[in-house]
Amino acid sequence: QSVLTQPPSVSAAPGQKVIISCSGSSSNIGNNYVSWYQQFPGTAPKLLIYDNDKRPSGVPDRFSGSKSGTSATLDITGLQTGDEADYYCGSWDASLKGVFGGGTKVTVL
Amino acid sequence: QIILKESSPTLVKPTQTLTLTCTVSGFSLTTSGAGVGWIRQPPGKALEWLALIYWNDGLRYTPSLKSRLTIAKDTSKNQVVLTMTNMDPEDTATYYCVHVAAVGSRRYFDSWGQGTLVTVSS
Repeated sequence: QSVLTQPPSVSAAPGQKVIISCSGSSSNIGNNYVSWYQQFPGTAPKLLIYDNDKRPSGVPDRFSGSKSGTSATLDITGLQTGDEADYYCGSWDASLKGVFGGGTKVTVL
Repeated sequence: QIILKESSPTLVKPTQTLTLTCTVSGFSLTTSGAGVGWIRQPPGKALEWLALIYWNDGLRYTPSLKSRLTIAKDTSKNQVVLTMTNMDPEDTATYYCVHVAAVGSRRYFDSWGQGTLVTVSS
């Protein structure tokens, strides 16, 4: 049972937009930053978004993150077949121990 | 460029102790703000954060496994070691070593090792 709550899956047609939610509490997201990770099958996760809404160098601006209160969202616009992957949100608790969501599988229809 | 490489046995028996070693390059384990942690992922399941050690020897453990985990660093070897006692088949997972960028309350896993699959079975 993951500490943060994500939908198991989302899907959309190529070119469309998907929104992945990540719900937490005041003990984690409410008082800490959120990051997002992209994982393709058989590979290690990769940092996609950090500090709620910042993109590392090389991440397309089709990916954007936001946070409000105890929830965060990852938006993927202009969906591409290459975006099919699992996406995880991560944050920290009051003792600065890491917490993750259960992951969301993105399917391009 | 930050590189992390995990090494471990691929198979351990129930009740045994697992030792995971992460050898790092591209940064120093004593650089202010640097941390190295471990995250695992059982087959087909979600990521689970395990433990973290900071440049100043600060330690953090996930509460559910704290009694079984010990994390330590050897700066002379550029290595971080995680030991997990009393292994169980439910501990079968890919174990990832990660670099943590920490500045004040901001922190995230910006580099990941390739992962090492550990199977627990008799």
